[in-house]
Amino acid sequence: RKEVEQDPGPFNVPEGATVAFNCTYSNSASQSFFWYRQDCRKEPKLLMSVYSSGNEDGRFTAQLNRASQYISLLIRDSKLSDSATYLCVVLSGGSNYKLTFGKGTLLTVNP
Amino acid sequence: SQTIHQWPATLVQPVGSPLSLECTVEGTSNPNLYWYRQAAGRGLQLLFYSVGIGQISSEVPQNLSASRPQDRQFILSSKKLLLSDSGFYLCAWSGGQGSGYTFGSGTRLTVV
Repeated sequence: RKEVEQDPGPFNVPEGATVAFNCTYSNSASQSFFWYRQDCRKEPKLLMSVYSSGNEDGRFTAQLNRASQYISLLIRDSKLSDSATYLCVVLSGGSNYKLTFGKGTLLTVNP
Repeated sequence: SQTIHQWPATLVQPVGSPLSLECTVEGTSNPNLYWYRQAAGRGLQLLFYSVGIGQISSEVPQNLSASRPQDRQFILSSKKLLLSDSGFYLCAWSGGQGSGYTFGSGTRLTVV
């Protein structure tokens, strides 16, 4: 089983749609969780951290289920500018702060 | 504020030539530093990380090496490039303790 697995995508949605990304991780000792966004041919940028109680930042909501080792990202009222690849990222347990990245899910929001 | 600089942005090198990519961080001290590679259509692969000057950990066997001669400088090198070394090379730093990474703008390397 891969350390971090994401929906393979790609996702094509119309503007205004709600889209959900799912991610699972294999190391139960993982400590921290993040969602990153990567635009085409650019570096990944931190979108949001994921907290155990779930957290929201505007149109973005992240959830963590430690028992199921599952992370999600929900985007509401999607915009054209949300088009990007979304990367699920996990800080592996006992790892000297090494982040493990999922392969990413490409989202295209269409007008 | 902290900034990370990485250069060059693009590089085309012949097979068998040497490589040196440099990354520097400003506005912080004793950062954790990382080199990642992203091959076309693939995920990010951790190559090296460093928690201090002269301390380098390698994640995968390959013909690349890394060095950290100064606290905020991280260098990725190769003596002889292979075609398979082509990819998008990203330097990143973190403050540790579960914080996320901040990436440099990357170097797109094409080995021909």
